[in-house]
Amino acid sequence: QVQLVQSGAEVKKPGASVKVSCKASGYTFTSYDINWVRQATGQGLEWMGWMNPNSGNTGYAQKFQGRVTMTRNTSISTAYMELSSLRSEDTAVYYCIAVAGTLWFDPWGQGTLVTVSS
Amino acid sequence: QAVVTQEPSLTVSPGGTVTLTCGSSTGAVTSGHYPYWFQQKPGQAPRTLIYDTSNKHSWTPARFSGSLLGGKAALTLSGAQPEDEAEYYCLLSYSGARLVVFGGGTKLTVL
Repeated sequence: QVQLVQSGAEVKKPGASVKVSCKASGYTFTSYDINWVRQATGQGLEWMGWMNPNSGNTGYAQKFQGRVTMTRNTSISTAYMELSSLRSEDTAVYYCIAVAGTLWFDPWGQGTLVTVSS
Repeated sequence: QAVVTQEPSLTVSPGGTVTLTCGSSTGAVTSGHYPYWFQQKPGQAPRTLIYDTSNKHSWTPARFSGSLLGGKAALTLSGAQPEDEAEYYCLLSYSGARLVVFGGGTKLTVL
């Protein structure tokens, strides 16, 4: 059974970067892509991109290209999402999800709240 | 990038039937967009109700069904229950499922 455990809440200043981790268990980490989705308070879901843990290949939503980097450490079955040049609008809960082709696995990671505030 | 549209809000009476829709700015939604429907309740992560247009998970109540209707993906709730009050999001895949777009969500009220 897919289990994804994310790192804890972060508070960052505008212009800084944040790196959120997502530790996978219950399956072979390199078998499924990891997608990242965020949700600002009271707002909808926003897809950020995907990362293939086997190859390291990535694909990012146009909105985040140049500002997001998705990586992994296969030795500890952990995926990372780093977002740079943070602004207040980046304040949101960030989720990781395991995806096989078009199949999105439940449950998602528990979410990581990133707060950007001066 | 494509824009995916949903009704912002809908209201259904207990025991009633309601259909939520999911459209694409690029044209008709087809099975090739692998439409997904997620349910999200306050303070919880989203959970899949329907995947690949009409497939259900073991936890999906039988009163929910997915289909294609009039060029859109559709989620129909037949026999609404108070616990169905939630936000519903659709997701469409593009470019061989390497580009994904969420709809803006539909807030469903059971009243």
